Amino acid sequence: AQRVTQPEKLLSVFKGAPVELKCNYSYSGSPELFWYVQYSRQRLQLLLRHISRESIKGFTADLNKGETSFHLKKPFAQEEDSAMYYCALTGNQFYFGTGTSLTVIP
Amino acid sequence: GAGVSQSPSNKVTEKGKDVELRCDPISGHTALYWYRQSLGQGLEFLIYFQGNSAPDKSGLPSDRFSAERTGGSVSTLTIQRTQQEDSAVYLCASSLDRVSQPQHFGDGTRLSIL
Repeated sequence: AQRVTQPEKLLSVFKGAPVELKCNYSYSGSPELFWYVQYSRQRLQLLLRHISRESIKGFTADLNKGETSFHLKKPFAQEEDSAMYYCALTGNQFYFGTGTSLTVIP
Repeated sequence: GAGVSQSPSNKVTEKGKDVELRCDPISGHTALYWYRQSLGQGLEFLIYFQGNSAPDKSGLPSDRFSAERTGGSVSTLTIQRTQQEDSAVYLCASSLDRVSQPQHFGDGTRLSIL
């Protein structure tokens, strides 16, 4: 069973527009959820995790247990946000989504 | 350097050959993870180590895949009798402790099976 679903492979938004990258998960119990990001020619790195409830680079993500979602949001997209974003879940194992490639158009 | 180091960065080999991929985690990180990333796919979890022990090996795709970790540090992922479907980027990550800590990734090894 697929644990983490990112429905959008590609997402394009204009600079200054709001952006939302969707993530839905399937897991019984209490998983921990993360967003990882990979900028061009850089390593995959942690962006944020739900237990921290923090905002990183203007991004936030709220865990919605009722909808089993962990969508990543930013009110005003910047060009430097263009990257590949992966939603991830940690339970007994580690599950990553297939990723969403975000392009911010100047 | 202070990051996770993987070698080789690229490996091209013929079908049927064995390959070894190496991962040097961040010093002091007790947890180490292996993932596989195939074209158009997400990251597929393979195995993780806590110290030298691998509590769960069920992510390994077949018995041709094995991994070990010695001295709580370097890990080797071995693929025997490689097949073309093994072609992928193999990523290693490490974390300080516990499975819920953020993972720090290496650059990966791009494996191509001819």
